This record gives sequence, structure tokens and C-alpha cells, in this order.
Amino acid sequence: EVQLVQSGAEVKKPGESLRISCKGSGYSFTSYWISWVRQMPGKGLEWMGRIDPSDSYTNYSPSFQGHVTISADKSISTAYLQWSSLKASDTAMYYCARHRGIAAAGTYYGMDVWGQGTTVTVSS
Amino acid sequence: DIQMTQSPSSLSASVGDRVTITCRASQSISSYLNWYQQKPGKAPKLLIYAASSLQSGVPSRFSGSGSGTDFTLTISSLQPEDFATYYCQQSYSTSQFGGGTKVEIK
Repeated sequence: EVQLVQSGAEVKKPGESLRISCKGSGYSFTSYWISWVRQMPGKGLEWMGRIDPSDSYTNYSPSFQGHVTISADKSISTAYLQWSSLKASDTAMYYCARHRGIAAAGTYYGMDVWGQGTTVTVSS
Repeated sequence: DIQMTQSPSSLSASVGDRVTITCRASQSISSYLNWYQQKPGKAPKLLIYAASSLQSGVPSRFSGSGSGTDFTLTISSLQPEDFATYYCQQSYSTSQFGGGTKVEIK
């Protein structure tokens, strides 16, 4: 079964660092780009950025560039989203999702496999 | 950045109704437009990719059309399990989502 399994819920204080993970299984991890998507409480979906796990090349939304870092370790089929200094406004659900097609061309055709989401709560 | 505008932001409909949701891009995105369904507490689900291609396993009552800047998602006969929020997403230049359309029971 093709799936993405995300790490568990996190509760952090402002200023702390955090890395959440997304492990792929059931498919060739390096063949499909992975995106991260934020959903703040009661709000819509926001695309944050994506990574090509084969070489760790990344694209970021201007809204998130410089605020988060997306990385991947292809040896363990895992993508990461990390913050160096959390803010209360980072409180949200974060999803990873696999792009539908192979390699860069696949990024044109939507995201067909989603993780279950990781809730991040930042509060003093 | 390409801006994606969905309308309406919400609608009320009855089982069996035909429902149409529109999505407009701030510039041409060819046919690189995808549609998702999200139910409360769940991850989004891909319904339509490349404007009009039905994702595997998705019921045929869902259809998509459009190209350039104007796109439409149609549910031909609304079913109880279709009450959810729907999002468009452009994938022409990196990516952006529309603001969402909540489909509620009338």
C-alpha cells in the first residue's frame, strides 16, 4: 500500500525549534516530489513548498521562504519540515503529500497521496 | 504569484442537486488545475487533475472543465457523502490553492 505516515502531534513554546517528518512507503520514494501544506485552525489550505527526494532540490512559496526548511533523507524515505524558531502563528495542521506523477513533470498533476497530518501547537 | 479565486465560498444544496463551483486564476495556467475534497478532520483527497481528468476511484458524478484562467468543478447529482469543502489548486507555476468552497446541506 502506498502511504505517507507523519510524525505525531507537537506542543512547543515560542522560540523553540521543531522538525516534523513524513515517511513514504509502498513506492519508489525518490521518484515522486513531496509537498508540504499548512492548514491553520478553521482556515483553508496553503501550499508551503516541495522537494525532489532524489536530489533534495526544493521550491518554496514566497510566503514561507526563509521561515521553514524542507529536507529529505532518501536512505530512509523520509521528508522533513523544520522551523528554527517557532511562533504562535505557526500553530496549524501540517500535511505532506506526494505529487501524482513521476519526477518534475509529475508536479503538474496534483497530489494523490496525503499523510494523516501533524498538529503543531505553539503556546507559551 | 498566481492568485486563485474560488466562488462561491459556501453554498447550500440538497441531495440530488447539480452543484457547480468555479475557480479563476489571475493569469493563464493552461490546464494545470486540480480539485480536492476535504472533510472535517481529514486530509484532502484529489478528485480531478489537469482540469478534467478524473482521479482513479473517484465517482463519475464529479467532473472538471476549463482552461486558461477559468475552471469549473461540477457534481452532477449531490450525494450525502459529498458535503465537504472543495479546493482548487494551480500547479502551473509552483502551486497555490483557492480559498475553498464549503458545500452544506440545505
